[in-house]
Amino acid sequence: DTEVTQTPKHLVMGMTNKKSLKCEQHMGHRAMYWYKQKAKKPPELMFVYSYEKLSINESVPSRFSPECPNSSLLNLHLHALQPEDSALYLCASSQAPASGLKTQYFGPGTRLLVL
Amino acid sequence: SQKIEQNSEALNIQEGKTATLTCNYTNYSPAYLQWYRQDPGRGPVFLLLIRENEKEKRKERLKVTFDTTLKQSLFHITASQPADSATYLCALGSGAGSYQLTFGKGTKLSVIP
Repeated sequence: DTEVTQTPKHLVMGMTNKKSLKCEQHMGHRAMYWYKQKAKKPPELMFVYSYEKLSINESVPSRFSPECPNSSLLNLHLHALQPEDSALYLCASSQAPASGLKTQYFGPGTRLLVL
Repeated sequence: SQKIEQNSEALNIQEGKTATLTCNYTNYSPAYLQWYRQDPGRGPVFLLLIRENEKEKRKERLKVTFDTTLKQSLFHITASQPADSATYLCALGSGAGSYQLTFGKGTKLSVIP
């Protein structure tokens, strides 16, 4: 099973709302990622969790708050977002970096619209 | 700074022909290179990985080459079909211990029946 699932598929929120994006994988991967992708642009790395610990934060604004409750789950909590945060949010997972090869398996994404 | 260029934003080819997509990079010594396919509004799907010491990899109708001297990878789809129409992203990765993939902007391939 090489599936990464993400919920919800679509999300519309106001700038004062609080919402969460969820991601799940059952491949035994110990690295999980959040990416943001704007139209016609490549995915931009936001956060990396390795063994449930935050390893990389690519200077993401604090209105985005990641959480990794266990090795299969990854959440992204959203609060006080701006319209420019509207994008496709992608979750991915891979084997831990020490394995050498880190093919990342992506979920289908959550299309977020901030009004 | 590291730079990845995919030769064209869009490529149109006739069904049945071979599509060739290019990925060039500068200021980077990747340990491996990957190609992903992305359909509109969906996450990228992994296709092929080639290591720095490999020249060529094949999978069904797909072929990837990797020339570390030219700093270039070519991605070929033979006997192309309309269902191959999508955006193709190349991504470069460093060795063990590094999490990050650096993605190119992608080439949107359209296979015309």
